[in-house]
Amino acid sequence: EVQLVQSGAEVKKPGESLKISCKSSGYTFTTYWIAWVRQMPGKGLEWMGIIFPADSDTRYSPSFQGQVTISADKSISTAYLQWTSLKASDTAIYYCARCGSFPRGGFDIWGQGTTVTVSP
Amino acid sequence: SYELTQPPSVSVSPGQTARITCSGDALPKKYVYWYQEKSSQAPVLVIYEDSKRPSGIPQRFSGSSSGTMATLTISGAQVEDEADYYCYSTDTSGNHGVFGGGTKLTVL
Repeated sequence: EVQLVQSGAEVKKPGESLKISCKSSGYTFTTYWIAWVRQMPGKGLEWMGIIFPADSDTRYSPSFQGQVTISADKSISTAYLQWTSLKASDTAIYYCARCGSFPRGGFDIWGQGTTVTVSP
Repeated sequence: SYELTQPPSVSVSPGQTARITCSGDALPKKYVYWYQEKSSQAPVLVIYEDSKRPSGIPQRFSGSSSGTMATLTISGAQVEDEADYYCYSTDTSGNHGVFGGGTKLTVL
């Protein structure tokens, strides 16, 4: 079964760092792109960026460039999203999603989401 | 930055046809994908490449695209189709993905 399993919910304080993960299984990790999508409380989906694990080709939304880092570890079929200094406005659900080809393709498989809460 | 525009809400009675639109300047050259999101659940792909339906998605879901507008049609909407629907595509540069603002479908 093809699936993306994300790491568990996180509660952090402003200024702390964080790295969340998205582990793939059931397919060849290096032949698909992995995107990260943010959903703030009560709001819509926002495309943050995408990575091709085979060569780490990464694209960021201008809104998130410099705010987060997307990476991948081919050896363990896992993609990551990380922050060096969290803000309260980073409170959201973060989804990873698989994309067959970028920019032509969309997302066919989604992770279950990771809830990140940033509060003093 | 590039935007995809959706109506905030659409409301139909059960059995009626629901149409949700998505407009964007790049759509004549880009595929559109549609996602259904029910509360507290991850989004689900319901239409890909403008008009194709993934396996397991009911036939009442269909998609079309013409010019700068794409449309998701739910023919004979059911109560269980109540959800938020998002269109997705990429900008003209091809370097950035974009979601529409989302449309809340009410079937009541």
